[in-house]
Amino acid sequence: GNSVTQMEGPVTLSEEAFLTINCTYTATGYPSLFWYVQYPGEGLQLLLKATKADDKGSNKGFEATYRKETTSFHLEKGSVQVSDSAVYFCALSDPGGSYIPTFGRGTSLIVHP
Amino acid sequence: EAGVTQFPSHSVIEKGQTVTLRCDPISGHDNLYWYRRVMGKEIKFLLHFVKESKQDESGMPNNRFLAERTGGTYSTLKVQPAELEDSGVYFCASRHGTGLSEQYFGPGTRLTVT
Repeated sequence: GNSVTQMEGPVTLSEEAFLTINCTYTATGYPSLFWYVQYPGEGLQLLLKATKADDKGSNKGFEATYRKETTSFHLEKGSVQVSDSAVYFCALSDPGGSYIPTFGRGTSLIVHP
Repeated sequence: EAGVTQFPSHSVIEKGQTVTLRCDPISGHDNLYWYRRVMGKEIKFLLHFVKESKQDESGMPNNRFLAERTGGTYSTLKVQPAELEDSGVYFCASRHGTGLSEQYFGPGTRLTVT
């Protein structure tokens, strides 16, 4: 079956540091890949997505590239802000299936001023 | 436009009691989903409604969980009787139409069973 593995958190960084949150996946076929973010007290929001190999999703300074050869979709940001503190979930969805995402465990990011 | 809302935001109950969680999807969204995240683990799918019909309930853990969506608007998820392992955050999401359109998530209900 499908599965998603994310690096364990929390990840603690100083403001303006570089961020990488690793995500690898196992899936049959060609899934779509997503990063969701949950800010404190809010629901999950779709941050970015990629639907095919070598696609790069980007939003709010975050980027992730769909790497089929390494089955990875690592999230990066060049300079984090305190407001980026949140929980980040990597997920995949089988477009040939029910569009219900398979999520990773989430990685908490804490950014200090 | 209002987003997905969930009530209550937090519930603390004793083992053996009953709890009902409510989800109000975005108006006009036929698809409604329930998910659960046990502390530190993955967000797991519970079930999917299309309007008032259960499209997929393969993720429901056992028959102590009952979901309804009468009239195809809001949905409730009842846990009766609650057990300690039911503790977690219950998320609801809604989606418009078919295809790979985005799911919009609510803030979740944190359920603590003591």
